[in-house]
Amino acid sequence: DSGVTQTPKHLITATGQRVTLRCSPRSGDLSVYWYQQSLDQGLQFLIQYYNGEERAKGNILERFSAQQFPDLHSELNLSSLELGDSALYFCASSPGSAAWEKLFFGSGTQLSVL
Amino acid sequence: GQQVMQIPQYQHVQEGEDFTTYCNSSTTLSNIQWYKQRPGGHPVFLIQLVKSGEVKKQKRLTFQFGEAKKNSSLHITATQTTDVGTYFCAGFDSNYQLIWGAGTKLIIKP
Repeated sequence: DSGVTQTPKHLITATGQRVTLRCSPRSGDLSVYWYQQSLDQGLQFLIQYYNGEERAKGNILERFSAQQFPDLHSELNLSSLELGDSALYFCASSPGSAAWEKLFFGSGTQLSVL
Repeated sequence: GQQVMQIPQYQHVQEGEDFTTYCNSSTTLSNIQWYKQRPGGHPVFLIQLVKSGEVKKQKRLTFQFGEAKKNSSLHITATQTTDVGTYFCAGFDSNYQLIWGAGTKLIIKP
């Protein structure tokens, strides 16, 4: 158990809908990262938050947004969903924002857009 | 943009054979991390390499960081069924952005 909690584990929705994925980082970790993994593909970095502020942005679509709240949990909002958004979404956390810190991943949210 | 190329994409081995995956970057990396993702699981940190030419071992796993800090490898000796999964490298570039390789899936032949 990495200590990173993601909910829900599975989400099935329809095209055009909006969903929210939630992540609670490990106790004490200030950074939260969001990744997308399509079937049998690598990890696509979406966005990083550090202590409530956006720290780095990857290949995140304009239809997607995220935030980190004062209690350090984070939410990833996906809107106007398309079939191609079906993927496994991982959240990861690390203690700070330093480049040498290892990431602790949650178990992921499997999103299916039908 | 900066990329980390990881090869091969898949490797099928007989149990007991060795396995190697390679990562190559177009630019110098400040450090590199390796993660393992079991089937149906999430990536789990294995190790980090920082120094030029660094070699680290974890039981049957040997990790290397190239002298120019542009390449890295993971070698598993005498694979076991517990080694099955996808191995990812992830390197930090000069802007401290983490660049991920596409992963190498280790498959044990029945």
